[in-house]
Amino acid sequence: GEDVEQSLFLSVREGDSSVINCTYTDSSSTYLYWYKQEPGAGLQLLTYIFSNMDMKQDQRLTVLLNKKDKHLSLRIADTQTGDSAIYFCAESELDYGQNFVFGPGTRLSVLP
Amino acid sequence: KAGVTQTPRYLIKTRGQQVTLSCSPISGHRSVSWYQQTPGQGLQFLFEYFSETQRNKGNFPGRFSGRQFSNSRSEMNVSTLELGDSALYLCASSPGRGGRLPDTQYFGPGTRLTVL
Repeated sequence: GEDVEQSLFLSVREGDSSVINCTYTDSSSTYLYWYKQEPGAGLQLLTYIFSNMDMKQDQRLTVLLNKKDKHLSLRIADTQTGDSAIYFCAESELDYGQNFVFGPGTRLSVLP
Repeated sequence: KAGVTQTPRYLIKTRGQQVTLSCSPISGHRSVSWYQQTPGQGLQFLFEYFSETQRNKGNFPGRFSGRQFSNSRSEMNVSTLELGDSALYLCASSPGRGGRLPDTQYFGPGTRLTVL
């Protein structure tokens, strides 16, 4: 079945860039998503990328997709303490309704 | 637009009891999905409802069931609760457009269920 992998922890200094990586196995994945979860809260959609795109930029967020290697990354520029959260990578296919597959999440800690 | 709301936010039950969780999607959204989140298993898909019909189902036992009403509100029921059912249950709604557009999910804050 489909599988999405992420490293579990990442620590960065405030003001530095953070890069969170994700790999997936399903070659028919159509959309790939990044969600953020803060303590005690649900998931917040950050951004998504269609599988025929290589890059998408949205303010401080840059998503890079290497479809050949099935590798997705999320870069957060000028990381702030408010960015401390768990970041989930997810993939979905078209035509299968809402059968999202999520990665285990990467806990980002931003140090002052 | 109001976001996805879930009630109750916290729930404590004992083994063997049953529980019903409620989710109100964003106005106009027709698809509601349910997820179970635990520290050990992460975020796991339970099922999805669209226009009052279950459209997709994850790998959970039959003790987990759900339904969707004509106003798109959804309920999830867990019968004969087990200790391992303690988790954060998240509901997500999406427009349910289908086709070639991403049907992005928007999540509620979750219901934290503790089974004693």
